[in-house]
Amino acid sequence: SYVLTQPPSVSVAPGKTARITCGGNDIGYKSVHWYQQMPGQAPVLVIYSNSDRPSGIPERFTGSNSGDTATLTISRVEAGDEADYYCQVWDSSTYHRVFGGGTKLTVL
Amino acid sequence: EVQLVESGGGLVQPGGSLRLSCVASGFTLSDYEMNWVRQAPGEGLEWVSHISKSGSTTYYADFVKGRFTISRDNAKNSLFLQMNSLRVEDTAVYYCARESTVQYFCDHWGQGTLVTVSS
Repeated sequence: SYVLTQPPSVSVAPGKTARITCGGNDIGYKSVHWYQQMPGQAPVLVIYSNSDRPSGIPERFTGSNSGDTATLTISRVEAGDEADYYCQVWDSSTYHRVFGGGTKLTVL
Repeated sequence: EVQLVESGGGLVQPGGSLRLSCVASGFTLSDYEMNWVRQAPGEGLEWVSHISKSGSTTYYADFVKGRFTISRDNAKNSLFLQMNSLRVEDTAVYYCARESTVQYFCDHWGQGTLVTVSS
């Protein structure tokens, strides 16, 4: 089955840029989606189809995908961005939805 | 406004059964495929199961195959997850999630219902 690998944690100072990676074999050929989960709350979609933003998501959130790595980039990080972030793809060989292990973003 | 409200969680002994429900509002359930996703305490998100719009096609994660059954009643705007032969490791918050019509991602999530499997 397809495996997605994320760093357990990323730390960034307010106002700086955070980059959260999601690794997978030839992930560049897949469509990657990203979710934000605040403590005690349900996940919220922040990026879909590699780089598209749902309505209401700030432009500070961008996504890219190439080769074996997809990246969620959060510019001008704010304290309110502190959360867990998960990447997700669809595995065409099994029809399963696959999540990465999640990355905890800490704003210093 | 799209809303998904799960219910049916609770405490159950290992080997027992539970049936989770998810009531949808603010959209026509029959227009969307649906998923169940779970999250064990302190752990990450884990996809559990998927069902097509009509309910004719279903998929399951390997760790629940043969024990869980996903179903839906579009007339009642409801999604279900029948969980049998429950194990301690099935303890988690179970989320109902709507799948986008664009691609294979979840565009709306419920608040979840907690299932605790313990003796």
